[in-house]
Amino acid sequence: QLHLQESGPGLVKPSETLSLICNVFGGSIGNDKDYWGWIRQPPGTGLEWIGTIYRDGVTYINPSLKSRVVISLGSSKTQFFLNVNSMTVADTAVYYCARRHNIGAHWSFDIWGPGILVTVSS
Amino acid sequence: DVQMTQSPSSLSASIGDRITITCRASEDIMRYLAWFQQTPGKAPKSLIFGASILYSGVPSRFSGGGSGTDFTLTISSLQPEDFATYYCQQYRHYPLTFGGGTKVEIK
Repeated sequence: QLHLQESGPGLVKPSETLSLICNVFGGSIGNDKDYWGWIRQPPGTGLEWIGTIYRDGVTYINPSLKSRVVISLGSSKTQFFLNVNSMTVADTAVYYCARRHNIGAHWSFDIWGPGILVTVSS
Repeated sequence: DVQMTQSPSSLSASIGDRITITCRASEDIMRYLAWFQQTPGKAPKSLIFGASILYSGVPSRFSGGGSGTDFTLTISSLQPEDFATYYCQQYRHYPLTFGGGTKVEIK
């Protein structure tokens, strides 16, 4: 059974870069029916899609974050990464990684990691 | 961007009640809509994709409907574990966008 787990710092200083890892257990990033994504949720508010990557490295990033976000693949095919630069207090959120899986014509998020709270504070 | 508007933003209901949550898209998304359930401190759980297709293991009291711009999530008989926040999400167009959420509380 595939599951995901985020890892990284829980505290980042303003203006610094956030680097998160999503570890994929029980499966591989190389499946042609999967995209891999990052979603975040500021405290007490709703969900915001950050971006998605495919096994060939092609990414789709939310335009609202595009200038600050890089999503990349690990060489092991069991990890993918999120980097967000120039972090501010507004970036404080729970960050989730998730699998976007294909069934028929549908590519929907079906498996989520438990999330990691990232606080931006000096 | 496709704006997703959910209503109501919150509702109070009792065990055994039938409830319906509405999600409206700002443009036609065909049936490229998903629903998620989230309890406090937990990751979202995927309930429905393709507007009406339940993921394996999701109880049959959950149902989804609609197409184009108007969608619904119905719970036919609320159970204690159903008190949560529900989000819709469109995946027809980038950027992927979520509704603001509907919090279902115990009356």
